[in-house]
Amino acid sequence: GAGVSQTPSNKVTEKGKYVELRCDPISGHTALYWYRQSLGQGPEFLIYFQGTGAADDSGLPNDRFFAVRPEGSVSTLKIQRTERGDSAVYLCASSLTGPLDTQYFGPGTRLTVL
Amino acid sequence: AQTVTQSQPEMSVQEAETVTLSCTYDTSESDYYLFWYKQPPSRQMILVIRQEAYKQQNATENRFSVNFQKAAKSFSLKISDSQLGDAAMYFCAYRRVSYDKVIFGPGTSLSVIP
Repeated sequence: GAGVSQTPSNKVTEKGKYVELRCDPISGHTALYWYRQSLGQGPEFLIYFQGTGAADDSGLPNDRFFAVRPEGSVSTLKIQRTERGDSAVYLCASSLTGPLDTQYFGPGTRLTVL
Repeated sequence: AQTVTQSQPEMSVQEAETVTLSCTYDTSESDYYLFWYKQPPSRQMILVIRQEAYKQQNATENRFSVNFQKAAKSFSLKISDSQLGDAAMYFCAYRRVSYDKVIFGPGTSLSVIP
């Protein structure tokens, strides 16, 4: 596609529920990143995929967070037993091959946990 | 650990005037990339300008230019002939050359006064 797309645009859920956030990277981009942006702050790195594998998941805050990219294109960020502190905008970005390339961001998913 | 600091939470500029946004960072690396990203209310993070640390020449993109002071670890963004569409959050960001994680500052909210 023309750019990185993310669905849904907004997600409201109740504490304790499970949510999935989807990211469609730019076609042909092998690298994909997830960031979390809390209100009034800059984005914080969560996880980086190179192809199908997670090359760096050091930013995932705990084991309730998990992400997959089974076919090397679309990625899903999964959050179990959501907590109010998980409320944030979740941004996805992709780059052509990896470290030397510019990251292009999607519009994000705003997650609200009530 | 690398950190990025933006000491101006909010800035304002008169339309057609020039404004400078400040950024400092901390790193022990000698080669890295620095970025300025713009985030309008639509949440889409847009790359404004990129600077490679090994290049002494300051990057320029149309009305946007940077003042990169490597020894001082300073990376300011100058916006000339400000336009209403420049109103947004601006994030300074850092990335090591061989690594994909981008570290963002807390952001500066820029208002443009007609």
